[in-house]
Amino acid sequence: NAGVTQTPKFRVLKTGQSMTLLCAQDMNHEYMYWYRQDPGMGLRLIHYSVGEGTTAKGEVPDGYNVSRLKKQNFLLGLESAAPSQTSVYFCASSYSRGAQYGYTFGSGTRLTVV
Amino acid sequence: EDKVVQSPLSLVVHEGDTVTLNCSYEVTNFRSLLWYKQEKKAPTFLFMLTSSGIEKKSGRLSSILDKKELFSILNITATQTGDSAIYLCALSSNTGKLIFGQGTTLQVKP
Repeated sequence: NAGVTQTPKFRVLKTGQSMTLLCAQDMNHEYMYWYRQDPGMGLRLIHYSVGEGTTAKGEVPDGYNVSRLKKQNFLLGLESAAPSQTSVYFCASSYSRGAQYGYTFGSGTRLTVV
Repeated sequence: EDKVVQSPLSLVVHEGDTVTLNCSYEVTNFRSLLWYKQEKKAPTFLFMLTSSGIEKKSGRLSSILDKKELFSILNITATQTGDSAIYLCALSSNTGKLIFGQGTTLQVKP
């Protein structure tokens, strides 16, 4: 029972490079989320998805794109990485809107853009 | 715009002290409020609150929600060094969004 798996765990990118972060969950959860965490900022919502084929913007969506082609996967893309995107990225998933069910987090991806 | 504000942002106490962490919010279509503890990696779940005035308790930790005044508190009694962490408050809205506050960094000194 893997829960929420994020790959990769660490990555160093050069400015302007692109990459995709993968979040995979095996709990048949409908809702999935991508966050970034910077010191003193808590977790800020980048994008989220309320079901397969749907995505929506969060608090800080600029510079990121997402896709949810399969229910179990939520991909976060950086088309042209910038140093301001250096952060720790967390994925989370939930069965529903959270009233009766909790959220499960991945272990995070530490991304450095130089 | 949905907003979650935690206070204080950081706190240093000594073992045995009692601490109260605050979370206030402005969220439309509010569904539930959650508290998480984050040490080195991913946040771990502490409490989910949906009803006003009902205290949830787990060992030395307790939490309560006030939907009229739009805030929640997390209490930790008889603090231990293992309680040192970032404590995060999050709001779940009916639209599916889960929004976090900035977090409170708690340091418990021996």
